[in-house]
Amino acid sequence: GAVVSQHPSRVICKSGTSVKIECRSLDFQATTMFWYRQFPKQSLMLMATSNEGSKATYEQGVEKDKFLINHASLTLSTLTVTSAHPEDSSFYICSARSWSAGEGTDTQYFGPGTRLTVL
Amino acid sequence: GQNIDQPTEMTATEGAIVQINCTYQTSGFNGLFWYQQHAGEAPTFLSYNVLDGLEEKGRFSSFLSRSKGYSYLLLKELQMKDSASYLCAVRVHTGGFKTIFGAGTRLFVKA
Repeated sequence: GAVVSQHPSRVICKSGTSVKIECRSLDFQATTMFWYRQFPKQSLMLMATSNEGSKATYEQGVEKDKFLINHASLTLSTLTVTSAHPEDSSFYICSARSWSAGEGTDTQYFGPGTRLTVL
Repeated sequence: GQNIDQPTEMTATEGAIVQINCTYQTSGFNGLFWYQQHAGEAPTFLSYNVLDGLEEKGRFSSFLSRSKGYSYLLLKELQMKDSASYLCAVRVHTGGFKTIFGAGTRLFVKA
């Protein structure tokens, strides 16, 4: 399957600082990437949909000024958690859509996730 | 609204067969995914159904009935390593594509 990487895998930061998480599709171009967060023993909650070259679409209840998303190229999307607070501590996972009309495939691949801890 | 339901937990025996059901009520349905997730790790893609019927891939099979809003994941010849959470996810198209997840089913495989 296709490979999606995320960096960093773990980050610990102080309250009030900003943290940037990178998501890269390594062997395919992804016009659409998704950002999810997951709390312990809960499912993935979609935060926003990131489309290359345009503004991200945020889900209801997600503050776009706090969670800045940039999808600058077909292989890179970044999520910046601004002015982080302890309640932002979570597992953040990105996902990239791999679609080929010619091959008849349409799959969503996940990165390994980033565990953010805000002290 | 969008809603996806699946059992919270299931237990099965090594070597057996287990079926994990998923029902959904969504608008703009555009396909259904099953993912496996081990604790502390990201989800791993298992299957994708967009048309009715059964898709088989090794020990795993997935079924979809769009008219009933129903899918199941069938795991055969269970192994201990299959103990994990299984996530049912539906892709919808409401202006743009997005994938929403059910709460997941935690499967425990016992010897």
